[in-house]
Amino acid sequence: EPEVTQTPSHQVTQMGQEVILRCVPISNHLYFYWYRQILGQKVEFLVSFYNNEISEKSEIFDDQFSVERPDGSNFTLKIRSTKLEDSAMYFCASSVTGDNEQFFGPGTRLTVL
Amino acid sequence: QKEVEQNSGPLSVPEGAIASLNCTYSDRVSQSFFWYRQYSGKSPELIMSIYSNGDKEDGRFTAQLNKASQYVSLLIRDSQPSDSATYLCAVRFSSGSARQLTFGSGTQLTVLP
Repeated sequence: EPEVTQTPSHQVTQMGQEVILRCVPISNHLYFYWYRQILGQKVEFLVSFYNNEISEKSEIFDDQFSVERPDGSNFTLKIRSTKLEDSAMYFCASSVTGDNEQFFGPGTRLTVL
Repeated sequence: QKEVEQNSGPLSVPEGAIASLNCTYSDRVSQSFFWYRQYSGKSPELIMSIYSNGDKEDGRFTAQLNKASQYVSLLIRDSQPSDSATYLCAVRFSSGSARQLTFGSGTQLTVLP
């Protein structure tokens, strides 16, 4: 069964450094998403992406964040200058259309020191 | 503000019993509702989606939706210890092209052998 994959599974970085989290959505899916979950808290929406552009973003997704689909398979989330409060699990998800179920990848645990 | 509320639990049921998980949401025009299961340290795994009033059954799981009461529930029949997890209710609040999911804080379920 096709699934969303994410790399790396765990990323440790120093505050102020740039990180890139990578995702490969399910191949026939057209909508891609990033969510995050701070330890012990709710899953929070960051951004959705369709047709090579951002379709919506939350207040969390400020100028420090960007997303890109650099090729036909990868979908990336970049954090330009990480802060301690960026430490969280970051989940990529994808869906066939914007109205369908969203399937989540295994996540990347980001630890900012 | 659009909210999804769940009892955080923990909810404990004996093996073989029915577990009942509840969720309320704030926006009357919401269209799409999802239940995810999340094991500790793992990503949300889709269990069921429901879009119209009434019941939807899939194996041991039944989702129930009552839009007038802004209420969605998940019943797990013949609960097994492997069902022990946190169950997340997610709602897609309809607003133009919005596709993001808003999650509740989850209900922690423990099935006792």
